[in-house]
Amino acid sequence: DSGVTQTPKHLITATGQRVTLRCSPRSGDLSVYWYQQSLDQGLQFLIQYYNGEERAKGNILERFSAQQFPDLHSELNLSSLELGDSALYFCASSLAGASDTQYFGPGTRLTVL
Amino acid sequence: DAKTTQPPSMDCAEGRAANLPCNHSTISGNEYVYWYRQIHSQGPQYIIHGLKNNETNEMASLIITEDRKSSTLILPHATLRDTAVYYCIVRVNNAGNMLTFGGGTRLMVKP
Repeated sequence: DSGVTQTPKHLITATGQRVTLRCSPRSGDLSVYWYQQSLDQGLQFLIQYYNGEERAKGNILERFSAQQFPDLHSELNLSSLELGDSALYFCASSLAGASDTQYFGPGTRLTVL
Repeated sequence: DAKTTQPPSMDCAEGRAANLPCNHSTISGNEYVYWYRQIHSQGPQYIIHGLKNNETNEMASLIITEDRKSSTLILPHATLRDTAVYYCIVRVNNAGNMLTFGGGTRLMVKP
């Protein structure tokens, strides 16, 4: 158990809908990272937050957004969902982002029908 | 971050040592070598990392060549539960530095 929690574990929704994925980092960790793993793309970095502020952006679609709240939990919002958004979404956390190991949560499996 | 090259798959007998190689010939002086593994769609699990010295923890050993252009992850006594995809990642330890995952090595531990 990495100490990173993600909810829900599974999510099934329809095209065009909007969903929110939630991540709670390990106690004391200030940095949260979001990754997407689809069958054809592998694990890809989406976005990072550090202590409430966006720190780095990867291949994140404009339909996707994230935020980190004062209690340091983070949410990833996915809107106007398409079939291709079906994937595993992982959250990772680290103490500060610099020189720190990232620990991953168990992931949320999103299925868009 | 430097790119890495790993064999796509390997087999290992249960109880034997699993030696997983990784080439990172373009690694820079300030880049660390990280190893993660992913067991069947679970979240990637951190294993070990190092800069230039060999490292050992309760899970594995990491051997980095003197020129730092390659490394080997060693699982000393592989079990069936070590069957997973192993990722070798090279990264600079800076704020905001994401992990870039390649294809990894699919290790199959067989009884």
